[in-house]
Amino acid sequence: AQSVTQLDSQVPVFEEAPVELRCNYSSSVSVYLFWYVQYPNQGLQLLLKYLSGSTLVESINGFEAEFNKSQTSFHLRKPSVHISDTAEYFCAVCMNTGFQKLVFGTGTRLLVSP
Amino acid sequence: DAGVIQSPRHEVTEMGQEVTLRCKPISGHNSLFWYRQTMMRGLELLIYFNNNVPIDDSGMPEDRFSAKMPNASFSTLKIQPSEPRDSAVYFCASSFRSPSFGQRRSYNEQFFGPGTRLTVL
Repeated sequence: AQSVTQLDSQVPVFEEAPVELRCNYSSSVSVYLFWYVQYPNQGLQLLLKYLSGSTLVESINGFEAEFNKSQTSFHLRKPSVHISDTAEYFCAVCMNTGFQKLVFGTGTRLLVSP
Repeated sequence: DAGVIQSPRHEVTEMGQEVTLRCKPISGHNSLFWYRQTMMRGLELLIYFNNNVPIDDSGMPEDRFSAKMPNASFSTLKIQPSEPRDSAVYFCASSFRSPSFGQRRSYNEQFFGPGTRLTVL
């Protein structure tokens, strides 16, 4: 079975500052890794994913995440945040074969203030 | 494309009443998922359909919960009778499971609806 740990329930940060949202996972098999974003009163949207290849993956809005197999981590980073990045961010994993059941972390609320 | 459509967006009901949540997946998608989101337990998968057939319902909390998918464009999640602890946001998601499903390096992205916020008094 897989599990995901997001240690930070809330991360406050000032606009234009860098941010890192931490994600660690546990799995006995190879997995795919994801970050989803949930804006207020909306459903989840896929932000970025790691399936294979380069361990550094990027989103279109400046976020990036790096898969670190030895540390079983997939931390999300952005060098300069905007007010509009305020949202809840969920890390998720699934097995890379068979039924791709997503297992989510508990989420990290990113609060960007001016 | 309208995306995944869920109705109602908000539902307030009294304990003991029957509640029916509805979902219309994205046209052409053949997999459908129901999730529940609560503060205590986060996001949990309740049930997964593929080609209208329930594949995994191990996340359904108890017999009060039932889900159906009578056709490729419609699914319901029913709670009868409802209890206050069922209060949560319920999400529906859909994806297209390709013929290469099961092979490494393929992933079928799940697209989420806006959710139904259920409050059971």
